[in-house]
Amino acid sequence: SQQGEEDPQALSIQEGENATMNCSYKTSINNLQWYRQNSGRGLVHLILIRSNEREKHSGRLRVTLDTSKKSSSLLITASRAADTASYFCATGGGNKLTFGTGTQLKVEL
Amino acid sequence: NAGVTQTPKFQVLKTGQSMTLQCAQDMNHNSMYWYRQDPGMGLRLIYYSASEGTTDKGEVPNGYNVSRLNKREFSLRLESAAPSQTSVYFCASSVGTRGSGELFFGEGSRLTVL
Repeated sequence: SQQGEEDPQALSIQEGENATMNCSYKTSINNLQWYRQNSGRGLVHLILIRSNEREKHSGRLRVTLDTSKKSSSLLITASRAADTASYFCATGGGNKLTFGTGTQLKVEL
Repeated sequence: NAGVTQTPKFQVLKTGQSMTLQCAQDMNHNSMYWYRQDPGMGLRLIYYSASEGTTDKGEVPNGYNVSRLNKREFSLRLESAAPSQTSVYFCASSVGTRGSGELFFGEGSRLTVL
């Protein structure tokens, strides 16, 4: 069963635009992570936000966390064609990290 | 450093055949994981190992066995493959023994069961 669910399932934007994707989860968490997966490759960790944090930045990435709404958002600013990938949120307790079904982002030139 | 290395990258099996997927990490991580990824299903945890000598079931363990051979290596075995096990399998590792930290993934092993 998926703990996190991303929205939208697919997103297509032009290079230079911002991309926002959302994650909703069901139970309380210690932290929430975002991963990227390029086509045919393994997942790569992007950012981790702890339950006592509301916002976190890493380069062109901005992640927010609203524990009262059990939701998180990932914003990619000034997107590039190289940002084309699937993005997954992951939550869970202990070693049982569970992933959502992902948002497929396509950035067109 | 290679990170997490999985072999083989591709495999085709017939129903009923057995095979082992190998995974090795060179980051001195304590925890290792096996996930499967299917279209529309995201990643689902099959088994994990929080430390050398221990293994635990994840969400979808049926039809699989694992071995934590040493701190570096964690293998996944299909004793009698079924078409439902056609999937992409990912091995991952993390530093701690209690999870919730960053996972480092291999490039995946694509398995087709006919």
